Amino acid sequence: DSGVTQTPKHLITATGQRVTLRCSPRSGDLSVYWYQQSLDQGLQFLIQYYNGEERAKGNILERFSAQQFPDLHSELNLSSLELGDSALYFCASSTTPGTYEQYFGPGTRLTVT
Amino acid sequence: QKEVEQDPGPLSVPEGAIVSLNCTYSNSAFQYFMWYRQYSRKGPELLMYTYSSGNKEDGRFTAQVDKSSKYISLFIRDSQPSDSATYLCAMSALGSGYSTLTFGKGTMLLVSP
Repeated sequence: DSGVTQTPKHLITATGQRVTLRCSPRSGDLSVYWYQQSLDQGLQFLIQYYNGEERAKGNILERFSAQQFPDLHSELNLSSLELGDSALYFCASSTTPGTYEQYFGPGTRLTVT
Repeated sequence: QKEVEQDPGPLSVPEGAIVSLNCTYSNSAFQYFMWYRQYSRKGPELLMYTYSSGNKEDGRFTAQVDKSSKYISLFIRDSQPSDSATYLCAMSALGSGYSTLTFGKGTMLLVSP
């Protein structure tokens, strides 16, 4: 158990809908990362936050947004969902923003029908 | 050409075999190299990391980096059925205060008793 928690574990929704994924980092970790894992693209970095501020952006679509709250939990918002957004979404956390040592949560499996 | 290439497998070996997992990369800016292990329906967990060319050992695991050839390997000695998982290589070009990881698609390893 990495200490990173993610809810919900599974989410099934329809195209065009909006969902919110939640992540709580390990105790003491200030940096949160979001990743998307699909069969064809593999694990891809979406976005990083550090202590409430956006730090780095990867291949995140404009329909997706994220934020980190004062209590350090983070939410990933996915809107206007398409079939291709079906994937595993992982959150990871680290103590500092400039480290490769990231601890991953169990993921949220999103299915768009 | 993808930045990081990794054979998806599956790689099937008998218990006790030496396993070799490999990745190639094209971005010369990558300085840090990591191996993550991902069990089915779980998040990736950091196995090993290294930043210099050469070998690094940790128990049954050895990570090897050849920056001149842009090639990294993970060797597993005396493989066990519990090693059956997907192994993801990851790389980072650390900047000032951020650490985005670029992952390979992963190699599935099956160790049979």
